[in-house]
Amino acid sequence: DAKTTQPTSMDCAEGRAANLPCNHSTISGNEYVYWYRQIHSQGPQYIIHGLKNNETNEMASLIITEDRKSSTLILPHATLRDTAVYYCIVRVVVTGNTPLVFGKGTRLSVIA
Amino acid sequence: KAGVTQTPRYLIKTRGQQVTLSCSPISGHRSVSWYQQTPGQGLQFLFEYFSETQRNKGNFPGRFSGRQFSNSRSEMNVSTLELGDSALYLCASSLGGSHQETQYFGPGTRLLVL
Repeated sequence: DAKTTQPTSMDCAEGRAANLPCNHSTISGNEYVYWYRQIHSQGPQYIIHGLKNNETNEMASLIITEDRKSSTLILPHATLRDTAVYYCIVRVVVTGNTPLVFGKGTRLSVIA
Repeated sequence: KAGVTQTPRYLIKTRGQQVTLSCSPISGHRSVSWYQQTPGQGLQFLFEYFSETQRNKGNFPGRFSGRQFSNSRSEMNVSTLELGDSALYLCASSLGGSHQETQYFGPGTRLLVL
């Protein structure tokens, strides 16, 4: 699976949009971009994933650049409960199931 | 629909003992994956079970083993515990079909080895 690069930490004011970047410059055509988050000492929570089109669900939006070398996770109105470590994962699409390879992620702190 | 459940949530063992952790996947999910999370190594994949068979395996010693039952519930076992096995053990379930599927995690079992 391709490697991802994320900033170590970010701050965001409560109520503002949180934009979390992820670089995956070596991504292949058959690899999805997944985002998970982990609130302290809990299991990772699935947020969203996409291949090449932008995606939106009730939690967040995922913007993938046209060349697919980077993406941005957007939390439109961050709250204190969004404080967590956010993981960007690139995952190959093959028959069966491949493990998630977690990096160090971005520690997002939402500040009141 | 109930999420992934793991038992017990907390466990304290001593070196040399063995431990068994349990995971019940989301109803209808047939694949269960196990991960270990430590402060030093982060989240690392242990193994995945599908239809009672180990389908993928990470780079962990043979002391770590698992199994899956016909109802898709899974257990993992760690024998001859070492201090370094202290970690949060997470299981994740997915439908387990023929293409990539989203994995959903349980709350984890926190193991402390003394």
